[in-house]
Amino acid sequence: EAGVTQFPSHSVIEKGQTVTLRCDPISGHDNLYWYRRVMGKEIKFLLHFVKESKQDESGMPNNRFLAERTGGTYSTLKVQPAELEDSGVYFCASSQDRTSENTGELFFGEGSRLTVL
Amino acid sequence: AQSVTQPDIHITVSEGASLELRCNYSYGATPYLFWYVQSPGQGLQLLLKYFSGDTLVQGIKGFEAEFKRSQSSFNLRKPSVHWSDAAEYFCAVGLTGNQFYFGTGTSLTVIP
Repeated sequence: EAGVTQFPSHSVIEKGQTVTLRCDPISGHDNLYWYRRVMGKEIKFLLHFVKESKQDESGMPNNRFLAERTGGTYSTLKVQPAELEDSGVYFCASSQDRTSENTGELFFGEGSRLTVL
Repeated sequence: AQSVTQPDIHITVSEGASLELRCNYSYGATPYLFWYVQSPGQGLQLLLKYFSGDTLVQGIKGFEAEFKRSQSSFNLRKPSVHWSDAAEYFCAVGLTGNQFYFGTGTSLTVIP
């Protein structure tokens, strides 16, 4: 079974440019999450999709960030225009729903490292 | 405020020594508890989890963790550390609505 895959693994862009990160969750996982980690800080929640709907986007820092999950499969996270403080590692994770038999733990991708110069 | 605290930013241990990584949380109810490990260049991998039942849980790679309700803690332990355990370790809590929150992580260095 394929795990969560993310692309690109590393992106270096200049301030003001646009970057789009992609995440392919584990097949059958309705929940898809985006997290970000700035060096030395906690892994911070950005948003949570349930299928194609945004369940919680309270962690999105501002309107320069746009996440989509058309069709409830893969997701994209676009940063436009990028700023220096957007640098960090963006993690995608997916999970099944939590039930009495399933703790619904997160399965992570390897992350997309974004460097904004 | 709700939070997950990992008080040790960086720990260095000798190979073969025992290890304990601390994690405390502050939530109203007992959450689901997890430990993840991130090796360099890789994604986060689940080490172990606690949902209910026995408060001492066993995970992969010889790790275990103990849930202590009175202390709101879920500390990770390993009796004998291997050089390959050098990585960053994250404690996480899962709440209702499939929400998850992470600590700041503990970086582990293993010296020969």
